[in-house]
Amino acid sequence: QLQLQESGPGLVKSSETLSLTCTVSGGSISTNNYYWGWIRQPPGKGLEWIGSIYYSGSTYYNPSLKSRVTISVDTSKNQFSLKLSSVTAADTAVYYCTRHYYDGDYLYFDYWGQGTLVTVSS
Amino acid sequence: EIVMTQFPATLSVSPGERATLSCRASQSVSSNLAWYQQKAGQAPRLLIFGASTRATGIPARFSGSGSGTEFTLTISSLQSGDFAVYYCQQYNNWPPLTFGGGTKVEIK
Repeated sequence: QLQLQESGPGLVKSSETLSLTCTVSGGSISTNNYYWGWIRQPPGKGLEWIGSIYYSGSTYYNPSLKSRVTISVDTSKNQFSLKLSSVTAADTAVYYCTRHYYDGDYLYFDYWGQGTLVTVSS
Repeated sequence: EIVMTQFPATLSVSPGERATLSCRASQSVSSNLAWYQQKAGQAPRLLIFGASTRATGIPARFSGSGSGTEFTLTISSLQSGDFAVYYCQQYNNWPPLTFGGGTKVEIK
């Protein structure tokens, strides 16, 4: 059974960089048609896609965050990571690492981590 | 960016009754739409993709329909575990992938 687990600081200071890692177990990150990424959810609010990466290193970002986001992959460790720079209180959210399938026809998020709350403090 | 709008924001339904949730796209997304269920304190779970294809293990009481800009998720007979927040998500034109604001299905 595939499992995704987020790790990283739960508290980040305003203007600093948020860094999270997702460790994938029970399957290989280097699987065709599967993309790995991040979605966030501010407390009590809806879901916002941050971006995704393919095991080859190709990245896809939400234009609203693109200037501040970097997603990277380490296939040797079966991990991928998120860096979000210059954070503000608006970046406080539960961050989910995710897997999505995409074959040119269908796209869907089929595996999610449990989520980790990141709070930005002033 | 394609904006997804869900309505109603909250739906009060009695157990055993039918629930009908709506999702509207700001422009056509063809059938490139998925639905997710999120229970309190949990990650979302995939229900439907391709507007009407149930994901593995999803009960037949969940059905999706629609194309273009108007979509519906129907839960034919609500069970206790179905009270949750439901999100639609488009993948016709990305990035970005975009979600609706959610519909909360609560016990009447």
